[in-house]
Amino acid sequence: DTAVSQTPKYLVTQMGNDKSIKCEQNLGHDTMYWYKQDSKKFLKIMFSYNNKELIINETVPNRFSPKSPDKAHLNLHINSLELGDSAVYFCASSQQTLSYEQYFGPGTRLTVT
Amino acid sequence: AQTVTQSQPEMSVQEAETVTLSCTYDTSESDYYLFWYKQPPSRQMILVIRQEAYKQQNATENRFSVNFQKAAKSFSLKISDSQLGDAAMYFCAYRRLYNNNDMRFGAGTRLTVKP
Repeated sequence: DTAVSQTPKYLVTQMGNDKSIKCEQNLGHDTMYWYKQDSKKFLKIMFSYNNKELIINETVPNRFSPKSPDKAHLNLHINSLELGDSAVYFCASSQQTLSYEQYFGPGTRLTVT
Repeated sequence: AQTVTQSQPEMSVQEAETVTLSCTYDTSESDYYLFWYKQPPSRQMILVIRQEAYKQQNATENRFSVNFQKAAKSFSLKISDSQLGDAAMYFCAYRRLYNNNDMRFGAGTRLTVKP
């Protein structure tokens, strides 16, 4: 059973386009996250959602917008894509009341040409 | 703000030998969690081991163990009997006790295992 899934796994698109990455978790967790991993492998949190409420936004451009239709989904929508948006984007989830780790999806490699 | 530092961008180990990956962190909190994640070429982030700061005993998971030095704010990962499948990027991560949302990662250490 897949715990945290993301689609697509690879996304190639041109500058200026708008794209979305979907994320779903079947763990019953109440918090979901989006991370960006750059070419140097540095992982940085972008957003987290808890019970449909945005709780972190780490100076991410407003071209990026998380959308959570329900507790099991947190999609990432990106407007007006730029070359610098090329990276691997990871979705993760956790249960806020528990002390444990975040569970990660397989990542989406976004390439902007 | 909490920061996590991994001072070894790359490490190499011979198969079946032992290697230690370093991690230090900066925090003013007294209670928190520390993690090591593994990222193989498949890109999947996999939890290797976790340590609660209020526990004095070092965590162990099979061939993986940590050396947690709270006063020194050090959290190293020891991999014993290294296997080819251990080759990956390893990330150290810190999370505050009462805020599950604020997980900070180090820059990672790329581990190569030589046959």
